[in-house]
Amino acid sequence: AQSVTQLGSHVSVSEGALVLLRCNYSSSVPPYLFWYVQYPNQGLQLLLKYTTGATLVKGINGFEAEFKKSETSFHLTKPSAHMSDAAEYFCAVKGFNDYKLSFGAGTTVTVRA
Amino acid sequence: DAGVIQSPRHEVTEMGQEVTLRCKPISGHDYLFWYRQTMMRGLELLIYFNNNVPIDDSGMPEDRFSAKMPNASFSTLKIQPSEPRDSAVYFCASSQNPGQGEKLFFGSGTQLSVL
Repeated sequence: AQSVTQLGSHVSVSEGALVLLRCNYSSSVPPYLFWYVQYPNQGLQLLLKYTTGATLVKGINGFEAEFKKSETSFHLTKPSAHMSDAAEYFCAVKGFNDYKLSFGAGTTVTVRA
Repeated sequence: DAGVIQSPRHEVTEMGQEVTLRCKPISGHDYLFWYRQTMMRGLELLIYFNNNVPIDDSGMPEDRFSAKMPNASFSTLKIQPSEPRDSAVYFCASSQNPGQGEKLFFGSGTQLSVL
């Protein structure tokens, strides 16, 4: 079975500051890892994903994440926060060839002007 | 493509009433998922279909919940009878090949309030 833990339900950053959202996973098989973003009153959208290959993956809107097997982590970062980054972010995991995605509890990001 | 389309966007009903949520997946996507989102439990997978066939309904909370996919372009999630604890946002998502890491495309959700 696979699961993820997101550390911190709320993160507040200043505009222009680093955004760091933490995600640790548990998986009995090699994981596929995802970050999704949810803007108010909308469905989730994929930011980026790791399946195989390069462990540093780049996504949309300047976000990137690094898969670290030794730390069972997949933290999401963005060097410089923008007001439009205010949203809820979900880390998710599934096993290879699984069809069910398990989501973390989510982290709400607020951006201060 | 218009994306995954869900209706209604909002539903307010009274306890005991039947509720039907609808979903039109993206054309060509063979997989359809129903999720429920609540503050307490986060995002939970209720059921998913492959080629219109229900594959895993282990997340359906009770017999009051049922889901169907009569064809490749339409699915319903029905709650009968509804209860206040069913209040949540219900999302439908579709994908071409999630087993190989293909992303899920989510609809905008149905906000259900059971009074």
